[in-house]
Formats: sequence, C-alpha cells, structure tokens
Amino acid sequence: EPEVTQTPSHQVTQMGQEVILRCVPISNHLYFYWYRQILGQKVEFLVSFYNNEISEKSEIFDDQFSVERPDGSNFTLKIRSTKLEDSAMYFCASSERTGGPKNIQYFGAGTRLSVL
Amino acid sequence: AQSVTQLDSHVSVSEGTPVLLRCNYSSSYSPSLFWYVQHPNKGLQLLLKYTSAATLVKGINGFEAEFKKSETSFHLTKPSAHMSDAAEYFCVVANSGGYQKVTFGIGTKLQVIP
Repeated sequence: EPEVTQTPSHQVTQMGQEVILRCVPISNHLYFYWYRQILGQKVEFLVSFYNNEISEKSEIFDDQFSVERPDGSNFTLKIRSTKLEDSAMYFCASSERTGGPKNIQYFGAGTRLSVL
Repeated sequence: AQSVTQLDSHVSVSEGTPVLLRCNYSSSYSPSLFWYVQHPNKGLQLLLKYTSAATLVKGINGFEAEFKKSETSFHLTKPSAHMSDAAEYFCVVANSGGYQKVTFGIGTKLQVIP
C-alpha cells in the first residue's frame, strides 16, 4: 500500500540552526500538509500546500517556517533558526482531494526534532 | 470554526471487554470525521472515516463509529478489546469543502489490561 515517508526519523540540532524536514507524499496526491505534536500535547495544524503555493497556514507557521516542493516528489519543511520550543514530532500528510470521499489525509511516521 | 472534544484523556479496559472512546465535535460546515490511532513511536494510522455517507462507519481492526448529528458525536467502539489495541486515539474533524482545515482532538490513551 502506498505510504507517506518522512526523513530523518529523528533530527537533533542546536538552537539557532536551520533544519529541513523531508517528506515524500503518496505519488498521485495533490494536497500536502505539515503538523506538529509537542510532547504531551495535541497534534496541531501548521500548513497546507497545493499547486505550489500555501493554501492555508496556522498562527504557529510564522516567518521562521517555510515549505517547498523542490521537485516532483519531495515536500519539505524548513525552520530557519530553531528555538527550544520547536522541539516536537513533525508529521507530513498528503491527500488526493480536499472534499468528498477522497479527502483522507495519510500521515507519515513523523520526524522527531530535538533542539538543544 | 470547528473543534473536537475527546471526553476522556485515559480509558482503561480489560482484554475481551468492550471499548468506548468518546468524541464530540462542532463545525460550521458539514464535517468529515476521522479516527486515527498512534502506537508508541509510530505515525498516525487511519482507523475509519465519515464523509456524509452511512452514519455507522466500520474501520480496521474491528473498530466502528457512529455519526450522530443531533448529539454532535462520533464515538469509537469495539466489541472486544485486544492487547494490541493499546495506543493513543485521535478524533479529527475536517471541513468537507474547500481547502481542508483539520482539527485534532487532544487524544485518548487506551490501556488494555490482561
């Protein structure tokens, strides 16, 4: 069964450093998403992406964050200057549609980001 | 605006007994509703979904959920718990139309006692 893959599974970085989290969505999907889950808290929406542009973003997704689809398969989340509070599990998701029966978001296994 | 309330942060059941995980939602639009499961150190796996078809939805691993519009609920049930069901369960609401904004509940940790 097709799946969303995320790399790396665990990323450790120093405060102030830039990190790029990578995702390969399911190949026929058109909509892409990033979420984060701080330890012990709920999963929070960060951003959705369609047709090479951001379609919606939350208040968490400030200027420190950016997303890109650099080629036909990868979808990346960049954090420019990491802060301690960016430590979280980051989930990538993709969906074929946003409405109707094909609006299911399929999630990757996540990247655990630890900022020291 | 939309929101999800999972009424129990922890549920503990004995193996072989029924499971009930409660979820209430609010949405300005006709919602799509989902249950996801997260096993320790794993990603989020879709259990089942409701997208305005049958109100009783069957999912994987024997789980099912019933959409009750009058009660704004979407509770997850299973007749007989198995040890492998121990995990965290998330109720999720999404707008049916437009760009999909998805809101997660806080999660319910299910413990299964042998």
